[in-house]
Amino acid sequence: EIVMTQSPATLSVSPGESATLSCRASQSVSSNLAWYQQKPGQAPRLLIYGASTRATGIPARFSGSGSGTEFTLTISSLQSEDFAVYYCQQYNNWPLTFGQGTRLEIK
Amino acid sequence: QVQLVQSGAEVKKPGASVKVSCKASGYTFTTYGLSWVRQAPGQGLEWMGWISPYNANTHYAQKLQGRVTVTTDTSTSTAYMELRSLRSDDTAVYYCARAAPGPHFDYWGQGTLVTVSS
Repeated sequence: EIVMTQSPATLSVSPGESATLSCRASQSVSSNLAWYQQKPGQAPRLLIYGASTRATGIPARFSGSGSGTEFTLTISSLQSEDFAVYYCQQYNNWPLTFGQGTRLEIK
Repeated sequence: QVQLVQSGAEVKKPGASVKVSCKASGYTFTTYGLSWVRQAPGQGLEWMGWISPYNANTHYAQKLQGRVTVTTDTSTSTAYMELRSLRSDDTAVYYCARAAPGPHFDYWGQGTLVTVSS
């Protein structure tokens, strides 16, 4: 099974600044990587798929990059509604696997 | 609009089984797979299984193989997840999610809390 490792576990950033979240795969997943946002008490929401394609309705301040084993989610000009937990997920191989999440908190 | 509506919360005793439903609407049911993902209290997301409503092909997480079964009823556009031999560490919110090609998950149900307690 492919292990997805996210870093850091918690990231403290001030509103208006940018945040960079990392996701590493234990073996290559090509570009078959998605990012999700989850707020307390809510289901996850798809942000990015194909490593860099924004899902429908996702603001342009969210961007994804990377391929192979190293991936990045960048959120520019952080808004109050962006503080949440973020998960990466690989879909290159069965079983599908998620990272353990990065909590983005207000500094 | 695409909607996935799940059944209500359940409380079960250890050793029992639970079956959670997920009714889909707003799209052609057989053209997308469906997955189940769970989240224990305060923990991350854990993928459980996937099914193609078109041909009933399935994939499961090895950790749950033998205890979990995912099925669909195409006549009602409903997916089901059954988990057997429940343990306390199966206490979690269970989500169904539509699996866009990949698969990645573009629409999610509202979640169903399953509590396993004696």
